[in-house]
Amino acid sequence: AQSVSQHNHHVILSEAASLELGCNYSYGGTVNLFWYVQYPGQHLQLLLKYFSGDPLVKGIKGFEAEFIKSKFSFNLRKPSVQWSDTAEYFCAVRMDSSYKLIFGSGTRLLVRP
Amino acid sequence: GAVVSQHPSWVICKSGTSVKIECRSLDFQATTMFWYRQFPKQSLMLMATSNEGSKATYEQGVEKDKFLINHASLTLSTLTVTSAHPEDSSFYICSARVQGRTDTQYFGPGTRLTVL
Repeated sequence: AQSVSQHNHHVILSEAASLELGCNYSYGGTVNLFWYVQYPGQHLQLLLKYFSGDPLVKGIKGFEAEFIKSKFSFNLRKPSVQWSDTAEYFCAVRMDSSYKLIFGSGTRLLVRP
Repeated sequence: GAVVSQHPSWVICKSGTSVKIECRSLDFQATTMFWYRQFPKQSLMLMATSNEGSKATYEQGVEKDKFLINHASLTLSTLTVTSAHPEDSSFYICSARVQGRTDTQYFGPGTRLTVL
């Protein structure tokens, strides 16, 4: 069955540390890839997305993600996190231009000041 | 930007009663809206796809008679949890897709349902 895996359920970092959150999916066809963020008490917001072209995608707030097709991965990165990045991060995949988004289980990030 | 609202933000009800949750696209028209359910510490699971003017499409394992969806206008979809039971307690989130665009969904803030 198609699935999306986020390996890190909880991540704790100090400010200015670098961040990398893993996301892997299981599907051999065409995919569209997304990272969403949910700040405490707020709704899901789109951080970035990949549809085609340059596999290194830049999003809002200094985040970027790299699509590595051979590894079925779409890891999220940020070189230097801030306290305000404390949130839950969800990877999502849409397969074969389907309307459905399949979400990973989420990663809770806590950034200590 | 595109804003999606949900009402109520939280609701507590007695077992056996029905609860209606509204999802509105405030500044755009949405021919398609999606309803998700999120259990604590788990991911969002798609329940159904709501299409304006037609019947909703339910995901496998979701009871359509229990989770009634109505999408009567281009800006409003409703989810009614009928004869709610404690196991229906969850966080319900809707999203909306901008008319004419298939690439991005905008999410509402969610509704926390607690059934006593």
